Amino acid sequence: QKEVEQNSGPLSVPEGAIASLNCTYSDRGSQSFFWYRQYSGKSPELIMSIYSNGDKEDGRFTAQLNKASQYVSLLIRDSQPSDSATYLCAVNSGGSNYKLTFGKGTLLTVNP
Amino acid sequence: GAVVSQHPSWVICKSGTSVKIECRSLDFQATTMFWYRQFPKQSLMLMATSNEGSKATYEQGVEKDKFLINHASLTLSTLTVTSAHPEDSSFYICSSIRSGRGVSGTQTQYFGPGTRLLVL
Repeated sequence: QKEVEQNSGPLSVPEGAIASLNCTYSDRGSQSFFWYRQYSGKSPELIMSIYSNGDKEDGRFTAQLNKASQYVSLLIRDSQPSDSATYLCAVNSGGSNYKLTFGKGTLLTVNP
Repeated sequence: GAVVSQHPSWVICKSGTSVKIECRSLDFQATTMFWYRQFPKQSLMLMATSNEGSKATYEQGVEKDKFLINHASLTLSTLTVTSAHPEDSSFYICSSIRSGRGVSGTQTQYFGPGTRLLVL
């Protein structure tokens, strides 16, 4: 059974702070890793994808991947109230089916 | 990013009726689409994988005769909830993957806006 674990939160940070979201996965053969943001009542929106060990930066977002530790994280710098949402970690184990296994999500609240 | 549309965005129906939801990839061809269901305050649950020109692959516990999936073209997949009941009320979301790009496993899923179904 492939599993993706996230702290459900809620994670509360003040505006301007760094929010750190963490995710672990069980399938060591996983190849692709994604972070989605989901606002209440809306569908998920892709934030970041990462495929190799290390950091990947895109604007205020940085994804970090450590395959040896089976750990992927998302850092949000200069957090804004508009970043308040549920963040879903998703993992693809490769192969031809492209299926994603999702974590249950972490609810982030950025306080003004 | 890629654009995926769904129609309708919400639907209310009586128990026992059937409801069809359409999912379209607007700016790329998708040989593979996915259908998810999400209940309040829960994560996404994959229902089935929709493959263009072939039968859908259903996840364990999902009734294929109740949730009919048709993927007749590279840009359209439909989900029909047959004989809907109140317990089928949920948020149904489709996603599409770009076809013919990159190495297997590096494809990205783009989600549609979702369809909220309420069965009375």
